Amino acid sequence: EAQVTQNPRYLITVTGKKLTVTCSQNMNHEYMSWYRQDPGLGLRQIYYSMNVEVTDKGDVPEGYKVSRKEKRNFPLILESPSPNQTSLYFCASRFSGTGSFSYEQYFGPGTRLTVT
Amino acid sequence: ELKVEQNPLFLSMQEGKNYTIYCNYSTTSDRLYWYRQDPGKSLESLFVLLSNGAVKQEGRLMASLDTKARLSTLHITAAVHDLSATYFCAVDTANTGTASKLTFGTGTRLQVTL
Repeated sequence: EAQVTQNPRYLITVTGKKLTVTCSQNMNHEYMSWYRQDPGLGLRQIYYSMNVEVTDKGDVPEGYKVSRKEKRNFPLILESPSPNQTSLYFCASRFSGTGSFSYEQYFGPGTRLTVT
Repeated sequence: ELKVEQNPLFLSMQEGKNYTIYCNYSTTSDRLYWYRQDPGKSLESLFVLLSNGAVKQEGRLMASLDTKARLSTLHITAAVHDLSATYFCAVDTANTGTASKLTFGTGTRLQVTL
């Protein structure tokens, strides 16, 4: 089954304790991205990656890091989490290139993070 | 800065009625997406609109795009309870066909009542 998976789905942590949220897709997509969703703000892009070893900042990258060492994986790293990073996080992927099929973006199930 | 505005933010409608959700955006783009989100769930892709005048329909939902007016609409025909969810539009403002920078609206929470 074609899918985007995220782990963990729920995480409660304390300020300053480094954490990683994993994202993996099995569709051979080149493009992957991370979003955070907050009430009243919709979804905002954190980072995206065009392909292996190619990443770039989205709208709200502060406090986050990413890496893309393999095509299927795109982990989100919070080196020193703070309470304002409490949010619902989504990973997404799609093919690159043109053509209507390639614009379909697939979202993971989400990771609810609470930083106390 | 790109702004994507949806109206209304909350919509309560009776079963069987028709209504339209509006999505206005502030910069040039010819790629617009509509998503559905159920409480506690991920986003489900509804429509991808890729050109001016594009119209797509799936069941009771129909989406259209007017790039000149920077407006997309999501029309609901004869609403049923199963359509209750939050609907988001998202505008792709990447300069190339391979990149993707989605800017989302704040969502429209739709509640369909009996």
